[in-house]
Amino acid sequence: GAVVSQHPSRVICKSGTSVKIECRSLDFQATTMFWYRQFPKKSLMLMATSNEGSKATYEQGVEKDKFLINHASLTLSTLTVTSAHPEDSSFYICSATSSGSWADTQYFGPGTRLTVL
Amino acid sequence: GENVEQHPSTLSVQEGDSAVIKCTYSDSASNYFPWYKQELGKRPQLIIDIRSNVGEKKDQRIAVTLNKTAKHFSLHITETQPEDSAVYFCAAFESGGYQKVTFGTGTKLQVIP
Repeated sequence: GAVVSQHPSRVICKSGTSVKIECRSLDFQATTMFWYRQFPKKSLMLMATSNEGSKATYEQGVEKDKFLINHASLTLSTLTVTSAHPEDSSFYICSATSSGSWADTQYFGPGTRLTVL
Repeated sequence: GENVEQHPSTLSVQEGDSAVIKCTYSDSASNYFPWYKQELGKRPQLIIDIRSNVGEKKDQRIAVTLNKTAKHFSLHITETQPEDSAVYFCAAFESGGYQKVTFGTGTKLQVIP
C-alpha cells in the first residue's frame, strides 16, 4: 500500500524555538494532506487540511501563525511549530490522500513526538 | 460543523466473543466512514471503511454497517483475539471541494484470553 513518511520521529527543543516537521508521500501523489495532533489517550484532533499549491485550511481554534503549513509539492507537506512552548508538546501525525474530489483512503505517517522543554 | 460521538469508550470482551463499537455523526454531508485501529505509540491503521452508498461491508472477522437515515455506523468484530486489543477510532469524512474529517473519541478494546 501507499507509504507516508514523517520526519523527525522525535524532537526535543527549547521553549521559544521553531520546529519543522516533514510529511512525505513516498509512492503516490498526495493532493491533500492532513495534520493532526494527538494527546495521550485521546483522539486525533484535526488541525488543518492542505491542498498542494494552495493555503492550508485551519480548524477553529488552531492558530495559523503558530502552526505554519506548507504543501509545496504533491509529495511534501511541512508543519512548522513557531515559538514552541511546553503546551505544544504532543504527538503530531500527518495523513495523505490521493484523491482531490472524492474521499479516499487516508495513509498516515508514523507521527512525530514533540517535547518542548 | 460535524460532531462524531463514539461509544463505548472502553470495552472488555472474552476471547472468541464479538465486539461492537458505535458512532453517530451529525452532518448529513459526510459520505465516507473509515475505522482505524491504533496500537500504543503507533500510527492509525485503516481496518475497514464504508461509503454512503453502501449499507454494510464485511472483511473476514470485521464488518461495518451504516444507517444514513439515523446517521450512525458501527464496527463489528467477531471471534475476537488478543491481538485485536487496541484503540479503535471511527471517522466521518466529507468530500467535495473541501475535504473535512472528524474523528470519534476512540474505544479502548481489551480482549481477555
